[in-house]
Amino acid sequence: DQQVKQNSPSLSVQEGRISILNCDYTNSMFDYFLWYKKYPAEGPTFLISISSIKDKNEDGRFTVFLNKSAKHLSLHIVPSQPGDSAVYFCAASPMEYGNKLVFGAGTILRVKS
Amino acid sequence: KAGVTQTPRYLIKTRGQQVTLSCSPISGHRSVSWYQQTPGQGLQFLFEYFSETQRNKGNFPGRFSGRQFSNSRSEMNVSTLELGDSALYLCASSGGQVRSYEQYFGPGTRLTVT
Repeated sequence: DQQVKQNSPSLSVQEGRISILNCDYTNSMFDYFLWYKKYPAEGPTFLISISSIKDKNEDGRFTVFLNKSAKHLSLHIVPSQPGDSAVYFCAASPMEYGNKLVFGAGTILRVKS
Repeated sequence: KAGVTQTPRYLIKTRGQQVTLSCSPISGHRSVSWYQQTPGQGLQFLFEYFSETQRNKGNFPGRFSGRQFSNSRSEMNVSTLELGDSALYLCASSGGQVRSYEQYFGPGTRLTVT
């Protein structure tokens, strides 16, 4: 059972426009959410995170929104740049001792110049 | 600060063999987690070590094991390799004692089983 779902396998956006990547989760025990970016042949790079007690977190061009009642989060990238082209993973951390991340399947973002 | 390093980067093994992968965390980080990435299953949590003790475990068979040394370096071992073990194995480190939230990943070891 997929507890974290990224239903869009890919997204194509024009440079300078907004990119919106979506993620849904099913487990109410998740209390922390993260977004990672991954280039081929590299490990995932941490982008931004949000605690379940917040509904928005912003860091430069990246903003993550959390809707707890809908069990949905989204990553907004504004403005999108060609260097943002990568695979984006949504991850969730369950409320338990220790570190464990549950990942979505990823969304391939292509930013066209 | 140096990032997470993993060795080797690429590995080819034969079915039935065993393999050991190594991970050095970011200096000062005491938690090391291992993940398997495959096209079909995505990124899946294998286990986490903290202060030389396994603290969390995912749903993988006992053929997958690990350990952590006093300097926080970690090794992961897979015995009796199967074709389905072909994957990118990622190691991640984090700094907190109880729970760290953000994890920082190494480049991974690409294992191919023939």
